Amino acid sequence: GESVGLHLPTLSVQEGDNSIINCAYSNSASDYFIWYKQESGKGPQFIIDIRSNMDKRQGQRVTVLLNKTVKHLSLQIAATQPGDSAVYFCAESVSGSARQLTFGSGTQLTVLP
Amino acid sequence: GAVVSQHPSRVICKSGTSVKIECRSLDFQATTMFWYRQFPKQSLMLMATSNEGSKATYEQGVEKDKFLINHASLTLSTLTVTSAHPEDSSFYICSARVSGSPNAFGSGTRLTVV
Repeated sequence: GESVGLHLPTLSVQEGDNSIINCAYSNSASDYFIWYKQESGKGPQFIIDIRSNMDKRQGQRVTVLLNKTVKHLSLQIAATQPGDSAVYFCAESVSGSARQLTFGSGTQLTVLP
Repeated sequence: GAVVSQHPSRVICKSGTSVKIECRSLDFQATTMFWYRQFPKQSLMLMATSNEGSKATYEQGVEKDKFLINHASLTLSTLTVTSAHPEDSSFYICSARVSGSPNAFGSGTRLTVV
């Protein structure tokens, strides 16, 4: 049956504030990382990616930081908007794996008016 | 960008019956597709990887005879849940590898077995 799993970590921010969502990855061989946004009842939506030869990458209102030393990834969302409310997952992949992704546990972001 | 179409979005079936979920790549050829299962408030768990024209590779603990995957063409992969039981109720998501771009995901299928 449905397994009893951990509840998603949650983050609540005020509209207009910046959000920082963190992710720890486990495989030191991973060299490609992606952040996805998932709204309720929908599939994951690509936000931004980064390769291991970089430590920072910026997109529109989003920035991903990669710290390979401590195997940590973060997603920064500037000027958070109500439409940003969703679950955010990081995913990792290893070269040669046909881009098979391993997903992190996810964070529920709630934007408060 | 690359679009993956997944159908149906929701399905309710009786215990013991089989359900087929389709995943199509609309504007590209997908040699590799992935199938995930997601329980409420949990992450996506990879079930299997399918390559066009060959047998799928299943993750540990996933019953290949229960979750039949067919990837007979470069634009279509199907997942059939055979002899479904209530514990198979979940959100199933397909994904396709896109050359030179991030993997594309389907919109998911909510399966409820009653």
